[in-house]
Amino acid sequence: DVKVTQSSRYLVKRTGEKVFLECVQDMDHENMFWYRQDPGLGLRLIYFSYDVKMKEKGDIPEGYSVSREKKERFSLILESASTNQTSMYLCASSLPRRYNTEAFFGQGTRLTVV
Amino acid sequence: SQQGEEDPQALSIQEGENATMNCSYKTSINNLQWYRQNSGRGLVHLILIRSNEREKHSGRLRVTLDTSKKSSSLLITASRAADTASYFCATDALYGNEKLTFGTGTRLTIIP
Repeated sequence: DVKVTQSSRYLVKRTGEKVFLECVQDMDHENMFWYRQDPGLGLRLIYFSYDVKMKEKGDIPEGYSVSREKKERFSLILESASTNQTSMYLCASSLPRRYNTEAFFGQGTRLTVV
Repeated sequence: SQQGEEDPQALSIQEGENATMNCSYKTSINNLQWYRQNSGRGLVHLILIRSNEREKHSGRLRVTLDTSKKSSSLLITASRAADTASYFCATDALYGNEKLTFGTGTRLTIIP
């Protein structure tokens, strides 16, 4: 059974803390993504990676960074957490576009910044 | 930027009825995908339709794609209470970076 696993389901952090959200996939996918989901706004892409050590900014990268040191792991980093980063964070992975296949999602991490 | 926009934003129907959701998008696509999300969970892939396809079926699901109108529809037939969820369309653009761009979703409620 294919899997994308996010390290935490729920997380509470204080304003100004550095926060790490981890995502691991076991499907040997090249592409990995981080989205945030807010009511009424749908899913918005923060960053994505198409290979180890490669990354591209998505639509809302401000306040975030990412790391992909190994193919199976993609980390989202909030350098200094703020209350407006309270959200649901979703990680996904997929094969490259030429395969024309779907993305697989983790279960999500609900982050609250207080 | 949001590529896909779903319509309606919310839909409530009686169990057994059919549910139709629509998605519009802005740029040329490689494929369009539909996902379901149960409350507070991750997204589950339902069906993928390629740009050269016009209709696709999977069980009680039927998806159509009209690339001339840049729109797609998802039909769920003989709805069940377990179909209650949010449904999202996502597009893989034909050009540019390999990323999925999601719409804002349709919240479907099936009334038993």
